[in-house]
Amino acid sequence: GESVGLHLPTLSVQEGDNSIINCAYSNSASDYFIWYKQESGKGPQFIIDIRSNMDKRQGQRVTVLLNKTVKHLSLQIAATQPGDSAVYFCAETQGSTSGTYKYIFGTGTRLKVLA
Amino acid sequence: DVKVTQSSRYLVKRTGEKVFLECVQDMDHENMFWYRQDPGLGLRLIYFSYDVKMKEKGDIPEGYSVSREKKERFSLILESASTNQTSMYLCASGYSYEQYFGPGTRLTVT
Repeated sequence: GESVGLHLPTLSVQEGDNSIINCAYSNSASDYFIWYKQESGKGPQFIIDIRSNMDKRQGQRVTVLLNKTVKHLSLQIAATQPGDSAVYFCAETQGSTSGTYKYIFGTGTRLKVLA
Repeated sequence: DVKVTQSSRYLVKRTGEKVFLECVQDMDHENMFWYRQDPGLGLRLIYFSYDVKMKEKGDIPEGYSVSREKKERFSLILESASTNQTSMYLCASGYSYEQYFGPGTRLTVT
């Protein structure tokens, strides 16, 4: 939503440069990690995910890196565009008594693309 | 494309009112979720449902209840709204580990 960007760490990147957004997670038993993008006034939109048995996964202009040793996740956006300006959230999965996967979300990073 | 719709984009209610937030998905997903989103706190899970009439508490269920009478519809109920429930409410549906979000309802309780 429009107020989700308050109190968030902000990354400012020049248009055309690469962006790297970082996330620390807490649960070493998480099976999946997901990155979401949230534009102002909209709900989070899925970008890319990675399974815990992988350390890198590439999509279109995006790459996710997983370092289980230090419980760190990063999202790399190549050739950042104005349309990439948004808040980015990482999420780790957690099991539940019903077997349903739950998400634990990070607090988010605001990406500002400078023209 | 997955479509998750929420009944209202903006809602203003008075303290003590009973509030219903509705969410509908069109992908026959087993799982549906309700979150609230507050500045600096990210998204926090209130309740989720893994089947019709089945529900499980999330991290912050106090002051809320839910109803899932049909697979496509998941309702969040505030029995007696309070000002600290002013927030953005997001619904999601999905299967396995995937979740797809609706546009959100901004609720203001005065």
